[in-house]
Amino acid sequence: AQSVSQHNHHVILSEAASLELGCNYSYGGTVNLFWYVQYPGQHLQLLLKYFSGDPLVKGIKGFEAEFIKSKFSFNLRKPSVQWSDTAEYFCAVNAHNQGGKLIFGQGTELSVKP
Amino acid sequence: DAGITQSPRHKVTETGTPVTLRCHQTENHRYMYWYRQDPGHGLRLIHYSYGVKDTDKGEVSDGYSVSRSKTEDFLLTLESATSSQTSVYFCAISESPGTAANEQYFGPGTRLTVT
Repeated sequence: AQSVSQHNHHVILSEAASLELGCNYSYGGTVNLFWYVQYPGQHLQLLLKYFSGDPLVKGIKGFEAEFIKSKFSFNLRKPSVQWSDTAEYFCAVNAHNQGGKLIFGQGTELSVKP
Repeated sequence: DAGITQSPRHKVTETGTPVTLRCHQTENHRYMYWYRQDPGHGLRLIHYSYGVKDTDKGEVSDGYSVSRSKTEDFLLTLESATSSQTSVYFCAISESPGTAANEQYFGPGTRLTVT
């Protein structure tokens, strides 16, 4: 069965620090990859997605992610975090033969100290 | 924001009672999904629908049923609520899974507490 693993459960950073959140998935076929963000008390919003083409994907609010197929990874990065980035971040995978079903990772809670 | 509403937004119910949660969309998207969110588990798919009257199970479907009689509405029913079903429930919609437009838009969530 497919699975998605996010290695960091809770990350605490100071403002202006760089961020990298890990995401690995287990599926050998073609996939679509997503990062969603959930701000406190809100619903999930899409940060970025990889469908095909350039493996370096840029999203909203200065986030980017790199798809490394050989490592089954899709890590999220931001060079300089802000207090407003405090949120929970979810990686998700959709396999091409699974219709629209998304498999989510456990989530990473990011706390940014001002 | 995509036009997705969920009702109720909060509900407290007793063990053994039936509960129905409603998801309503104004985007005319074909695919609709129900997830539950629990700490340490991320979001897990309960059921999904790929058209009117067309539904299928997700990874945590036991104890839940769904119905979709209209494109815009997707109902999730807990036939006999249990404390393990205390969770936050999110509805999502998608237009074209498997294509470049494959993005799920999420509703605001329903917080359900079963006492």
